[in-house]
Amino acid sequence: GNSVTQMEGPVTLSEEAFLTINCTYTATGYPSLFWYVQYPGEGLQLLLKATKADDKGSNKGFEATYRKETTSFHLEKGSVQVSDSAVYFCALWNSGSRLTFGEGTQLTVNP
Amino acid sequence: EPEVTQTPSHQVTQMGQEVILRCVPISNHLYFYWYRQILGQKVEFLVSFYNNEISEKSEIFDDQFSVERPDGSNFTLKIRSTKLEDSAMYFCASQTNSPLHFGNGTRLTVT
Repeated sequence: GNSVTQMEGPVTLSEEAFLTINCTYTATGYPSLFWYVQYPGEGLQLLLKATKADDKGSNKGFEATYRKETTSFHLEKGSVQVSDSAVYFCALWNSGSRLTFGEGTQLTVNP
Repeated sequence: EPEVTQTPSHQVTQMGQEVILRCVPISNHLYFYWYRQILGQKVEFLVSFYNNEISEKSEIFDDQFSVERPDGSNFTLKIRSTKLEDSAMYFCASQTNSPLHFGNGTRLTVT
């Protein structure tokens, strides 16, 4: 079946630091991959997505590249801000199937 | 941009009571979902709904749960007799093609 594994959190960084949150997956076929973000007290928002191998999703300075050879979709940002503090979820979707989430990674950015 | 709306944002109920969580999906979407997130844990799939019937459900979605799309716009989740362990954030989502669009969630507290 499908599964998503994220790096364990929480992650605490200083403002302007480089961010990487690792995500690997197990799936049949050719899934689409997503990063969702949950700001404090809010719902899940789509941050970025990639629908095929070697695609790079990007939004708000965040990037993730769909790597089929390593079954990974690591989230990166070159310079984080305090406002990036949130929980980040990696997710996988196969057509005809459910969206499967990773465990979530809590990011705290300190000024 | 159209969005998924959920009401109420917070519901407190006593153990054994029935609750109905309401969602208005995006109007031209065809697939509807409920997910839940127990505090501090991962987002878990409950049920998917298409063409006025359940298309998939998880092991969490037992006989205490039911879903309904009564009038072509609302999509409801009913818990017949709530338990303490039902306390969680419940997210509704809808889609036609990927990605899923999520509501802001209803926080259910069972006392």
